[in-house]
Amino acid sequence: AQSVTQPDIHITVSEGASLELRCNYSYGATPYLFWYVQSPGQGLQLLLKYFSGDTLVQGIKGFEAEFKRSQSSFNLRKPSVHWSDAAEYFCAVAGTGGGNKLTFGTGTQLKVEL
Amino acid sequence: EAQVTQNPRYLITVTGKKLTVTCSQNMNHEYMSWYRQDPGLGLRQIYYSMNVEVTDKGDVPEGYKVSRKEKRNFPLILESPSPNQTSLYFCASSFSALEGYTFGSGTRLTVV
Repeated sequence: AQSVTQPDIHITVSEGASLELRCNYSYGATPYLFWYVQSPGQGLQLLLKYFSGDTLVQGIKGFEAEFKRSQSSFNLRKPSVHWSDAAEYFCAVAGTGGGNKLTFGTGTQLKVEL
Repeated sequence: EAQVTQNPRYLITVTGKKLTVTCSQNMNHEYMSWYRQDPGLGLRQIYYSMNVEVTDKGDVPEGYKVSRKEKRNFPLILESPSPNQTSLYFCASSFSALEGYTFGSGTRLTVV
């Protein structure tokens, strides 16, 4: 069964500092991986996705993520965090069965200190 | 504007009183899905639909029903709500879940 682990429940960074959010997945075949962001009181917005090809993918809002098959990881990064990036971030993996179900991690809450 | 619309945004109800949360998308998407979000558990799939009249259970379907009579609509029905169904619910749709879902704004349900 597919699964996603986000080991960090909370992360605090200073504005302007770099950011890396960790994500590890478990899936038997080539995974389809996603990062979503949820601002307070809002729905989820897709930041970026990986299917195949270049292992470094670019997303919206200046985010990028790197797929590392050997480590089963898909970490999200941003070179310089803005106060408006404070939100909850979810990593997800999609399978090819069960309606192409998205399986989410438990999320990482990002706090940005000014 | 392309979107997934859920109603209501907030709902407080009593145990056992049937309720329906509506979901509609205007993107002609094939796939639709319902998730619930609980603190520390992330989002868990309740039901999904791959096309009209095709629905199936997700990970936590107990206590819920769905229907897909039209492509654009995918209502979530709680026949007899219980307090453990207090949660934040999201509807989502996609041409293919492998492309990533578009999510609605959520429905916060409280069952007392």
